[in-house]
Amino acid sequence: DTEVTQTPKHLVMGMTNKKSLKCEQHMGHRAMYWYKQKAKKPPELMFVYSYEKLSINESVPSRFSPECPNSSLLNLHLHALQPEDSALYLCASSRPYYQVGQGMIDGYTFGSGTRLTVV
Amino acid sequence: ELKVEQNPLFLSMQEGKNYTIYCNYSTTSDRLYWYRQDPGKSLESLFVLLSNGAVKQEGRLMASLDTKARLSTLHITAAVHDLSATYFCAVDMEGTGTASKLTFGTGTRLQVTL
Repeated sequence: DTEVTQTPKHLVMGMTNKKSLKCEQHMGHRAMYWYKQKAKKPPELMFVYSYEKLSINESVPSRFSPECPNSSLLNLHLHALQPEDSALYLCASSRPYYQVGQGMIDGYTFGSGTRLTVV
Repeated sequence: ELKVEQNPLFLSMQEGKNYTIYCNYSTTSDRLYWYRQDPGKSLESLFVLLSNGAVKQEGRLMASLDTKARLSTLHITAAVHDLSATYFCAVDMEGTGTASKLTFGTGTRLQVTL
């Protein structure tokens, strides 16, 4: 299995709702990432997990709460979002930095994304 | 703070023509990725460049990396309509544990016209 699977593909939520985005990979990658991409902009890093521990939080508002329950799963819990949070949310996983280039070319694998609309 | 800039931001080119997209970055790194993104879709990995002087080619696309100049280029040869998409470069920096940090360029929207 060489894929990162994200669910749901589309999500519409109200500003008072609580919802979660899910990301799953079975490639044995021990680093997982959440990116946010607004229309016509590049992806921006939100969170990084390494060995199921949060290693980078790019000053993301607390209404976004990440969780990594095991080495294959990454969740993003959403609560009290604003309309400006509407975006494409991308999950990724990666091999350790030192392994890329040692016969293992694909550093990062991205999921197909969740298109989130906050109304 | 790492800055990654691409130019041009928008490129309209005729089929059959050649052109180059430039990616400049502000901090030393010897690892750079190129991605393609179609509207409403996720990122498709095109190339990973791992050292100074690296050159990779796939079909009509060729990417190169000059770490001394902090510059990568994506050259398009004899463009065809199917290449219309947004192209991102992304600089990779080693982080903690197994993780690293990928910072994307501003993106170049390529439109190939008949």
